[in-house]
Amino acid sequence: AQSVTQLGSHVSVSEGALVLLRCNYSSSVPPYLFWYVQYPNQGLQLLLKYTSAATLVKGINGFEAEFKKSETSFHLTKPSAHMSDAAEYFCAVSDRDYGGSQGNLIFGKGTKLSVKP
Amino acid sequence: NAGVTQTPKFRILKIGQSMTLQCTQDMNHNYMYWYRQDPGMGLKLIYYSVGAGITDKGEVPNGYNVSRSTTEDFPLRLELAAPSQTSVYFCASSYGTGNSPLHFGNGTRLTVT
Repeated sequence: AQSVTQLGSHVSVSEGALVLLRCNYSSSVPPYLFWYVQYPNQGLQLLLKYTSAATLVKGINGFEAEFKKSETSFHLTKPSAHMSDAAEYFCAVSDRDYGGSQGNLIFGKGTKLSVKP
Repeated sequence: NAGVTQTPKFRILKIGQSMTLQCTQDMNHNYMYWYRQDPGMGLKLIYYSVGAGITDKGEVPNGYNVSRSTTEDFPLRLELAAPSQTSVYFCASSYGTGNSPLHFGNGTRLTVT
């Protein structure tokens, strides 16, 4: 069974500092991996996704994530935080051979990012 | 292009009342989903549909029902509302499964008192 663990429910960084949000997954088959962002009072938006084309995936708003099979990780990074990055971030995993019995994605519990001026 | 539209945005129900959360999408997606989001718990799948006339249970279906009579619409029905159903509900759609991203609506915040 697939699962996703996001380390740290809250992360606080200063504006201009590195953002690192951690995600570890378990999957019985090579997974598809996603990061979504949720701004206050809005639905989730796709930041980036890994589909095996490249282990380093670039997304919107300067974010990127690296797939590391040996560590079963898919951590999200951004070199320099901006105030507008304050939001909640969700990592999600999808089974490549999804057969429809349990739905498409398994979400982590989310990490709330705060950016201090 | 509206994407996924949910109504209402907010609702307060009394225990035992019923209501329908509406969801419609204009992207011609076959796959549609209902999730609930509780603080610190991420998103839990309630029901999903792979096409008109086909629905199936997700992780937390008890107390809910769905129907899918058209490609565009996927309403979620709450029967006999309970305080445990206080949550934010998100509808989403996707082109396919696997690596197809989900497109989310802006959510319905439901309080049952």
